[in-house]
Amino acid sequence: GAVVSQHPSWVICKSGTSVKIECRSLDFQATTMFWYRQFPKQSLMLMATSNEGSKATYEQGVEKDKFLINHASLTLSTLTVTSAHPEDSSFYICSAPGGVWGEQFFGPGTRLTVL
Amino acid sequence: DAKTTQPPSMDCAEGRAANLPCNHSTISGNEYVYWYRQIHSQGPQYIIHGLKNNETNEMASLIITEDRKSSTLILPHATLRDTAVYYCIVRTNTGNQFYFGTGTSLTVIP
Repeated sequence: GAVVSQHPSWVICKSGTSVKIECRSLDFQATTMFWYRQFPKQSLMLMATSNEGSKATYEQGVEKDKFLINHASLTLSTLTVTSAHPEDSSFYICSAPGGVWGEQFFGPGTRLTVL
Repeated sequence: DAKTTQPPSMDCAEGRAANLPCNHSTISGNEYVYWYRQIHSQGPQYIIHGLKNNETNEMASLIITEDRKSSTLILPHATLRDTAVYYCIVRTNTGNQFYFGTGTSLTVIP
């Protein structure tokens, strides 16, 4: 099946710094990718839709200036958490539709801890 | 976007069938139902999907009611490795977004 990777798998940073998370589709192309955030013991929350060649579409309540998304190519989307604060600590997951029937393939996730 | 409702938790004895229900009463006629599961601290894994007919693959079976307002995921012989949170999702027709509900935490008991 289609494989989606994320890098890094975990990151610790200081408050006020920016962190970039990469999402790659390894064996297929994706004009669209999705970014989710998951807090402990909660479900996945869709943050934004990343579109290759155009601006990302953010869900209501998600700050686009804080969570910068760049869909650089048909196999790479990046999420940059700018001026990170402890409340941004979370599990960030990306996905890409790669199946014949529209199923999405999810990356393994990135654990972000902001000190 | 259709919303889904699932019981928060379920237990199942190892080797027995696990039946996980999902209510999606506001589903539109051409929206698919997808099932995923998430093992702790990993990305969700695709299990199965369906539109109207019952579906079966190597992992599970999906039973969709005739009115399409609910469905049941069946793991025929649950193992300890099936312990996970199971999500029932209705895919939007426009942007293909997945909006996750709260899911069902399935615990398979030895």
